[in-house]
Amino acid sequence: NAGVTQTPKFQVLKTGQSMTLQCAQDMNHNSMYWYRQDPGMGLRLIYYSASEGTTDKGEVPNGYNVSRLNKREFSLRLESAAPSQTSVYFCASSELQGINYGYTFGSGTRLTVV
Amino acid sequence: AQSVAQPEDQVNVAEGNPLTVKCTYSVSGNPYLFWYVQYPNRGLQFLLKYITGDNLVKGSYGFEAEFNKSQTSFHLKKPSALVSDSALYFCAAAVRNRDDKIIFGKGTRLHILP
Repeated sequence: NAGVTQTPKFQVLKTGQSMTLQCAQDMNHNSMYWYRQDPGMGLRLIYYSASEGTTDKGEVPNGYNVSRLNKREFSLRLESAAPSQTSVYFCASSELQGINYGYTFGSGTRLTVV
Repeated sequence: AQSVAQPEDQVNVAEGNPLTVKCTYSVSGNPYLFWYVQYPNRGLQFLLKYITGDNLVKGSYGFEAEFNKSQTSFHLKKPSALVSDSALYFCAAAVRNRDDKIIFGKGTRLHILP
């Protein structure tokens, strides 16, 4: 089915380890986003890419890096994981004018840092 | 700063009764407003949106939302609740600009009691 695919679905890391969360969309969307979801905090934007070749910081970018590999793929990297990064991470994509059409979300990656 | 408020962390409603999930917003300019629903271990799903026109917007699964500009509110409603409506609901807002980012509220957990 068309949509946003995130891998892995679950991951446990030790403090200081690194990992990359993968996201791919097959809807030919221009914009892609990474959010984290924490209890009582809602969704907070980490990084976004308005179009291929561009990336910008969101509300909570510290400790993360991103790569817009091509139009389909937008990865999120944790260089040195910390327990505070334990969260559920969601990738989303949208048309260029995303607020006209809303976002399509992936099913999430549940990350635990011990 | 632009923001979205969902004043209730949780709402309990008996099956068959009408439900309301509250949302207020603070954005500059004319708002674009959205409701999303999240079922357990799933990503967010788009329910409905308001961009312009009729203040009463109808969406998926029998939900509707009323835009009230004077009260800066966009409450989600359904005439008769189902147990299957139990989920986490997010209100979101945006204003057209270069990046078209959507701002999310913290979410309201809706419990429909059999």
